[in-house]
Amino acid sequence: KQEVTQIPAALSVPEGENLVLNCSFTDSAIYNLQWFRQDPGKGLTSLLLIQSSQREQTSGRLNASLDKSSGRSTLYIAASQPGDSATYLCAAYDRRGTNAGKSTFGDGTTLTVKP
Amino acid sequence: DAMVIQNPRYQVTQFGKPVTLSCSQTLNHNVMYWYQQKSSQAPKLLFHYYDKDFNNEADTPDNFQSRRPNTSFCFLDIRSPGLGDAAMYLCATSRDPKGDEQYFGPGTRLTVT
Repeated sequence: KQEVTQIPAALSVPEGENLVLNCSFTDSAIYNLQWFRQDPGKGLTSLLLIQSSQREQTSGRLNASLDKSSGRSTLYIAASQPGDSATYLCAAYDRRGTNAGKSTFGDGTTLTVKP
Repeated sequence: DAMVIQNPRYQVTQFGKPVTLSCSQTLNHNVMYWYQQKSSQAPKLLFHYYDKDFNNEADTPDNFQSRRPNTSFCFLDIRSPGLGDAAMYLCATSRDPKGDEQYFGPGTRLTVT
């Protein structure tokens, strides 16, 4: 069964700092991995989707990498801003195994960027 | 330009009183999902529709039902809400169920009194 872990659960950084959020998954045979942002009391906003054949995806100040062999993905945020404060979730999508056809989410990392 | 819309945003219901949550989409996607998310936890998939085909998760309680009358709309019915059903309910869509990007609505926060 796929399990997704995000450590740390919370992170606080000063404005302007570059930071990395971590996502680990137990079954490396994933089809893709998606990163989301969730603001308090709101839904999820898709940030980046990495296919299993890709190693990274970039959007603006965000860069997501995927290493299937080690079961890890990272979300790099450059020059962080207070507006980046939110909870970031990753979700691993499986096409095979007991989790076939569904996404397994981590519990998220809550990021606070202090002005 | 809202793509996935959920109504209402906040819903208060009484213990045991049936409640219906609504989701609509303007993306013309084939797949619609319902997730339950409790505080500081990962979203938990309840079920999804691929076109008219309903796919229920094995551990989704019978208390939760869903309807999809057409491509655009999907409803979540909770027949007899318990205190443990208080949560954020998230609707999501994707073009196909084979790992396409998911788009989420703003969620409905359900309170059970």
